[in-house]
Amino acid sequence: SQTIHQWPATLVQPVGSPLSLECTVEGTSNPNLYWYRQAAGRGLQLLFYSVGIGQISSEVPQNLSASRPQDRQFILSSKKLLLSDSGFYLCAWSVPGYNQPQHFGDGTRLSIL
Amino acid sequence: AQSVAQPEDQVNVAEGNPLTVKCTYSVSGNPYLFWYVQYPNRGLQFLLKYITGDNLVKGSYGFEAEFNKSQTSFHLKKPSALVSDSALYFCAVRGPPSGGSYIPTFGRGTSLIVHP
Repeated sequence: SQTIHQWPATLVQPVGSPLSLECTVEGTSNPNLYWYRQAAGRGLQLLFYSVGIGQISSEVPQNLSASRPQDRQFILSSKKLLLSDSGFYLCAWSVPGYNQPQHFGDGTRLSIL
Repeated sequence: AQSVAQPEDQVNVAEGNPLTVKCTYSVSGNPYLFWYVQYPNRGLQFLLKYITGDNLVKGSYGFEAEFNKSQTSFHLKKPSALVSDSALYFCAVRGPPSGGSYIPTFGRGTSLIVHP
């Protein structure tokens, strides 16, 4: 069966520090991968998605970036964190196709001090 | 552009009573519709989807959803609510491939509270 791993579960970082969040998927190949941010336990904001290695689409301009160095690995990064980057970050994967649901990791709660 | 509306921020129901969480959508063509549930400090879990066919879709944990094309709705239902059903519920729409967006559009979520 397929599984998705996200780490760390929680992270406290100072303003201006770098960030690296990692997500890996097991049990499937060539998944579509997504990074979301959820603020205040409500709406989801899509940050990035990827349909293949090295192929990244950005939905919202910001100081975050994403990379997909391997088929089942998706990394969210920042060179300098802002206070506004605080939130709950969720990684998700899906089988390619309009009729396929997304499957989410358990998220990283990021607090910026 | 496609959109999803969840008109209720919160739904309260007594344990054992039926529950309904509402969702309406707007999309050009035939939609692909999804429901997800999120428990505190966890990711979203897929509950069920409507692609085509029978308007009543059955999913996980006893949930079902009814697709109504004329009302552009996809309400989530359960005949008898449990306290453990208390969570945040999200509706999402995608497609169709003929001109809709591949990226899902999510509603803002509805908090379901089931009282003992």
